[in-house]
Amino acid sequence: SAVISQKPSRDICQRGTSLTIQCQVDSQVTMMFWYRQQPGQSLTLIATANQGSEATYESGFVIDKFPISRPNLTFSTLTVSNMSPEDSSIYLCSVDETGNTEAFFGQGTRLTVV
Amino acid sequence: LAKTTQPISMDSYEGQEVNITCSHNNIATNDYITWYQQFPSQGPRFIIQGYKTKVTNEVASLFIPADRKSSTLSLPRVSLSDTAVYYCLVGVNNDMRFGAGTRLTVKP
Repeated sequence: SAVISQKPSRDICQRGTSLTIQCQVDSQVTMMFWYRQQPGQSLTLIATANQGSEATYESGFVIDKFPISRPNLTFSTLTVSNMSPEDSSIYLCSVDETGNTEAFFGQGTRLTVV
Repeated sequence: LAKTTQPISMDSYEGQEVNITCSHNNIATNDYITWYQQFPSQGPRFIIQGYKTKVTNEVASLFIPADRKSSTLSLPRVSLSDTAVYYCLVGVNNDMRFGAGTRLTVKP
């Protein structure tokens, strides 16, 4: 099973600023996913990031607000841009090694925007 | 995308068997059924996956009827540490959208 490291684990940011979250995997994977999870809620998929192609965003999420990089098969970043308090949430990355929805998750980044 | 429906919450007692059912009436031929467990302040953890009939591992069993329109996650002899949210996910490839999940509370 893949081991995923996310950085930072938590941060408190000022509104109007941007935060870049890093996701490092200990093996090469094709599919990486970024999620947002509000307290007590389910996970909401932000985008799917495959190496060598543009990320595919879910309805309600746009590249200008959540730009994603995927420079290689072991690394990805999600930037939360021009933050507002509504962006306060937990952000998680995950990988799917098999392509059959058997995914592994990082511990998440707890973001608070003040 | 096959949507899923699960009970919002369930209560159980230590030592009991817990069965959580997920409905997925629009499941496609190629879709797998995958269950995840999530503890507070942690990312979801893969529990079990199946396509049809029954699958069993060291943690749980997954029962899938012939029509595949539902599935049941069975947790034998639960303990307090099984208190978590359980998600049923139906799809294939990059189809990684989660439903609301079932919050299981195990009581002493």
